[in-house]
Amino acid sequence: DAGVIQSPRHEVTEMGQEVTLRCKPISGHDYLFWYRQTMMRGLELLIYFNNNVPIDDSGMPEDRFSAKMPNASFSTLKIQPSEPRDSAVYFCASLAGVAGEQYFGPGTRLTVT
Amino acid sequence: RKEVEQDPGPFNVPEGATVAFNCTYSNSASQSFFWYRQDCRKEPKLLMSVYSSGNEDGRFTAQLNRASQYISLLIRDSKLSDSATYLCVADSGGYQKVTFGTGTKLQVIP
Repeated sequence: DAGVIQSPRHEVTEMGQEVTLRCKPISGHDYLFWYRQTMMRGLELLIYFNNNVPIDDSGMPEDRFSAKMPNASFSTLKIQPSEPRDSAVYFCASLAGVAGEQYFGPGTRLTVT
Repeated sequence: RKEVEQDPGPFNVPEGATVAFNCTYSNSASQSFFWYRQDCRKEPKLLMSVYSSGNEDGRFTAQLNRASQYISLLIRDSKLSDSATYLCVADSGGYQKVTFGTGTKLQVIP
């Protein structure tokens, strides 16, 4: 299995630009999570889906952030417009079943200048 | 108060030493607990789950104290390869949604 796949691995953009991060979960996993990691705040849950349906988006910082999961094998996290404070590593993770190990992708390192 | 709190470290220990990390959680409804390991500039990976009765995996031992709401990780005979950040994780009262601590950095020195 290829594991969780994320793209791009690195993204550098200017303030005000739209950024789209992509994730392909492990086949058969019915939960998908988006996290953001910074030195100051650690790993924060932004949103998670179950069977492609958003369950909890209380961690999404503001309306500039949106996430979709159009099918079981693909999800996007979009930031529009981006700001320098959005600079962080964004991880996608997937989980099979009710509880247990979350498998993380390699992350997207986002820098907004 | 943070939901999951850890001492950020760093813990600098010599090879062969025993080191222990503690973590406290604030949600008394939490049921599932984990330790993840994160290497520098890599993604977190599950190290071990934490069971009520305590559990051991080779040189690693995890303990849970529900009364005091803390979780511990003990590493015996530290190896250079154990150098990483260790993240304590507790669910938020529902099994799927979990909260990560900010991590404890361990550096094992020769």
